[in-house]
Amino acid sequence: DIVMTQSPDSLAVSLGERATINCKSSQSVLYSSNNKNYLAWYQQKPGQPPKLLIYWASTRESGVPDRFSGSGSGTDFTLTISSLQAEDVAVYYCQQYYTTPFTFGPGTKVDIK
Amino acid sequence: EVQLVESGGGLVQPGGSLKLSCAASGFTFSVSAMHWVRQASGKGLEWVGRIRSKANSYATAYAASVKGRFTISRDDSKNTAYLQMNSLKTEDTAVYYCTRHASRDGYQGGMDVWGQGTTVTVSS
Repeated sequence: DIVMTQSPDSLAVSLGERATINCKSSQSVLYSSNNKNYLAWYQQKPGQPPKLLIYWASTRESGVPDRFSGSGSGTDFTLTISSLQAEDVAVYYCQQYYTTPFTFGPGTKVDIK
Repeated sequence: EVQLVESGGGLVQPGGSLKLSCAASGFTFSVSAMHWVRQASGKGLEWVGRIRSKANSYATAYAASVKGRFTISRDDSKNTAYLQMNSLKTEDTAVYYCTRHASRDGYQGGMDVWGQGTTVTVSS
């Protein structure tokens, strides 16, 4: 199974400042036939289901604010919130969908400093 | 409106069975791969399993923690996916979400539509 790790476990950032979350997979999730990384990022607020933010490691889902961006390839990935807003307080998960089981990272809690 | 609505959760004793349903609307259910994801209280997300479309032979896959106990099926005529859970354990207690695997430009994207979840409690 592909093991997903995230760092940090939690972070507190001032409003308007940058938040950076890292995700690492135990093996590459780059699909060589189409050169796409099968890595997604989700945001989950309390009492709500997860919401897809980013897929293919760096493609923003429709309707997601452009302050959210994803980067990385192979085994190392990053989610960046360029200017943290109050509504961004949530837990963020990465997930690989390269091969089953489609494992999630443990999550990173983002709060306001 | 694109929507998934789960039902069937409840309280069950260890060793018991429960069947969850996921009713889809607003999109072409029959061509979509459907997944189940669970979340124990205060914990992270755990992928449970998935069922692909008829074009992909309704192929299923499961997490090791549920393999042999849980079965995913679908009825495309009813736009509904199911999760049959047998031999339930206390550690299966969680909110169970149904979710759609997106197709983007002919390739798999992330999971773009989620239900609100249904709660399963396994306790004596």
